[in-house]
Amino acid sequence: GESVGLHLPTLSVQEGDNSIINCAYSNSASDYFIWYKQESGKGPQFIIDIRSNMDKRQGQRVTVLLNKTVKHLSLQIAATQPGDSAVYFCADWGGGTSYGKLTFGQGTILTVHP
Amino acid sequence: DGGITQSPKYLFRKEGQNVTLSCEQNLNHDAMYWYRQDPGQGLRLIYYSQIVNDFQKGDIAEGYSVSREKKESFPLTVTSAQKNPTAFYLCASSLGLRKEQYFGPGTRLTVT
Repeated sequence: GESVGLHLPTLSVQEGDNSIINCAYSNSASDYFIWYKQESGKGPQFIIDIRSNMDKRQGQRVTVLLNKTVKHLSLQIAATQPGDSAVYFCADWGGGTSYGKLTFGQGTILTVHP
Repeated sequence: DGGITQSPKYLFRKEGQNVTLSCEQNLNHDAMYWYRQDPGQGLRLIYYSQIVNDFQKGDIAEGYSVSREKKESFPLTVTSAQKNPTAFYLCASSLGLRKEQYFGPGTRLTVT
């Protein structure tokens, strides 16, 4: 079936570095994408979203890039801090019969070393 | 404080017993959702409800049941028919479908 997936399951960076987390999706009908952060034992928290009519969106220290041609999106975190250590998920709202369902990828573990 | 509460945080049950997980929100959201998360996995949708007295199956509804009698509440029952019930269960709500989902703290269910 169609799914949202991640290229890298783990990412380790030094404090102050920029982090890039990647995600590939396969549902060509997906038109709305979201990045979530999940700390251990907690529910996911919304980070940033992007719709398919955009290719870039910026938030506070985060940027999401969307490449519809290759069905790829990425989350860039500037000046990564130890508090950014968590699991990051991309998710997509599909179209058609999946309109009301948010599909999550496997997740990437980000570890930030002081 | 506005938010979503799930109780209890940890739940232990014997195999063959049904168990109901609580989810309450005071955000005045119409839509509510239940997800299951297994170790090293993303979230998978069990059931969702767009409005009171209405709900739809998600991707892994077998062995689960829900009700939506009140806007604030969306309890999930894990029945004995669920083959692998041990997991982390997350409830979420949103103003409507395709709106930002807010997640509760989760309930970790262990069935032995």
